[in-house]
Amino acid sequence: AQKITQTQPGMFVQEKEAVTLDCTYDTSDPSYGLFWYKQPSSGEMIFLIYQGSYDQQNATEGRYSLNFQKARKSANLVISASQLGDSAMYFCAMRERANPNTGNQFYFGTGTSLTVIP
Amino acid sequence: DGGITQSPKYLFRKEGQNVTLSCEQNLNHDAMYWYRQDPGQGLRLIYYSQIVNDFQKGDIAEGYSVSREKKESFPLTVTSAQKNPTAFYLCASKLRDRGLVDSGNTIYFGEGSWLTVV
Repeated sequence: AQKITQTQPGMFVQEKEAVTLDCTYDTSDPSYGLFWYKQPSSGEMIFLIYQGSYDQQNATEGRYSLNFQKARKSANLVISASQLGDSAMYFCAMRERANPNTGNQFYFGTGTSLTVIP
Repeated sequence: DGGITQSPKYLFRKEGQNVTLSCEQNLNHDAMYWYRQDPGQGLRLIYYSQIVNDFQKGDIAEGYSVSREKKESFPLTVTSAQKNPTAFYLCASKLRDRGLVDSGNTIYFGEGSWLTVV
């Protein structure tokens, strides 16, 4: 089974509007971390936001927030007040707890391409 | 400035040749990773290393080799045995986790290397 699923290959949003990028995950481990990364056309992966499985509140970082619904195993990224510079690929990732066999592997989704329209 | 440096940015390889991609980090991170990214797809793990002189195969290690002689360096060799090497390669590093609860240590990426077989 896929560890991370991103079902939206592409999304469009009007500038200054909010947009939600979907991410669901699959794990039986009680301790895990969820991450979102942005990849502009230059290729570099930029860390955006982190949510730990034991965190009671949803994570926020500036215009980014993570809508964490543990029972549904979803970790959607919400970008508020979209800007043209937000146009990029966005990847959701998960890491299960420290495991000497997996070396703290990060599992990545297939990504969502976001285009912000002026 | 601290960071991860990958070189070269662009590389062309002839059929049957081995090529080596360089990855150097000055973040004092213990763990280092190599990922492959194909167009429209997520990241797939090639190799990872948690400490010097130790490394483990990821999901797609066939046709690749690595070494970890120094903490700062984790070069990737794409051998002639790799049948379809044209891709974008990302090197990453992070602090080593030391517990069973996820610490939130994110993975940091280099700017990537584009490899094309000609």
